[in-house]
This record gives sequence, structure tokens and C-alpha cells, in this order.
Amino acid sequence: DGGITQSPKYLFRKEGQNVTLSCEQNLNHDAMYWYRQDPGQGLRLIYYSQIVNDFQKGDIAEGYSVSREKKESFPLTVTSAQKNPTAFYLCASRDRGIEDTQYFGPGTRLTVL
Amino acid sequence: GESVGLHLPTLSVQEGDNSIINCAYSNSASDYFIWYKQESGKGPQFIIDIRSNMDKRQGQRVTVLLNKTVKHLSLQIAATQPGDSAVYFCAENISPRNAGNMLTFGGGTRLMVKP
Repeated sequence: DGGITQSPKYLFRKEGQNVTLSCEQNLNHDAMYWYRQDPGQGLRLIYYSQIVNDFQKGDIAEGYSVSREKKESFPLTVTSAQKNPTAFYLCASRDRGIEDTQYFGPGTRLTVL
Repeated sequence: GESVGLHLPTLSVQEGDNSIINCAYSNSASDYFIWYKQESGKGPQFIIDIRSNMDKRQGQRVTVLLNKTVKHLSLQIAATQPGDSAVYFCAENISPRNAGNMLTFGGGTRLMVKP
């Protein structure tokens, strides 16, 4: 099965802790994206990466960090500097060469206790 | 800044009726638009897209209409079914493909289908 996977589906964090959300794709897509979704709202871009070893900040990058060491993987770390991290996090990918459409994973719901 | 928005936050329709979900955009330079469907607790699912050189595009039971004059996008769902109940987002491409291909998303419209 080809697609985008995110893990875990649910994640609980204590205040002051860093957590890392996983995003993996086997679609051979170059570009990958991280979005945050709050209840009843649209998606806001956190970070994106067009190629391996390169990534750019989105609209709400503060308190987050990413890495892109492999084409298939784009993990997102939510740091303790993120003041309101409880949200639904969505990862997406795109075939940079031929497509403009982004395809999404199933999401990770992060709750800070 | 310029952004995509939606007129109706909630739309309730009878099963079998046609649904129309609307979206307004303000960036006249946007050249690509997408409709996504999101069910509760899941990631957005691609429905249909349209480029700015087209006015209409049809898929299976869905049609997207683009009116560039008034910067308006709509999604029409024919013979709406209970499985169509979800939140629908429109998104516009605000950057070229080689600059990251960023999408700006509207706030979403919840479609509720009554049996």
C-alpha cells in the first residue's frame, strides 16, 4: 500500500516536555509539509521541505522544529517553547516535479496535560 | 493578508438533494484550487481540483466551478449521500511549484446530510 502514515494517532504530553511526531511516505514524493489544525478551523502551515536536507518555516513555526534526513521521513518536534501545542497535526506530501496537489496523512492528535 | 474564506460554515441537506458549497478567494494571482473533504478525526482527502484557465471541472458526482471575475469557487455534490457528511475545505495555491507550492486553506464548511 502506498501512502502517508503518521504516528502515533494520539499523543499526550506533560507541560515542559518535547515530543516528536512521525510522518512517513512511500510515494517517492519530494515535498513534505506539516500543518496544525485547531477545532473548527482550517489548516495552518508549520514547516515544509522541498528536498532532502532542506526545509523552510511556514506561518506558525515558532516552538516547532523539523528535520529531513531521508526523503521518506519528515518528523516534527513540538518543543516546550510552543505555548499552546494541543491540536491536530497533519502531514502532507507532494510530487514536486509534476503535481500541485498535496496528499494528507491521517493526523496525530496531541494533547498537553 | 489575502486568504481563502467560506460563506457558510454549516450546510444541512436532505439525502438525495444536490449540495453546493461556496468559497471566496481574494488573491487574484492564484492559479490552482483544490477541494478537500475531511471526516471527523481524519486527514483531508482530495476531492477535485481546478486550474485558473478553466471554469468548470467534473468528477464523479462532484463539479467544481470557478468564477475568476468575482473570485468565487464552488463545489457541487450531486445526489448527496450520508457518506458525504464531512467538513469541506477549499484551498488555493499561493506560490509557484518551485517555491514550495504553498496552499492557503479556508475555514471549512460542515455538510450534514439528513436521511
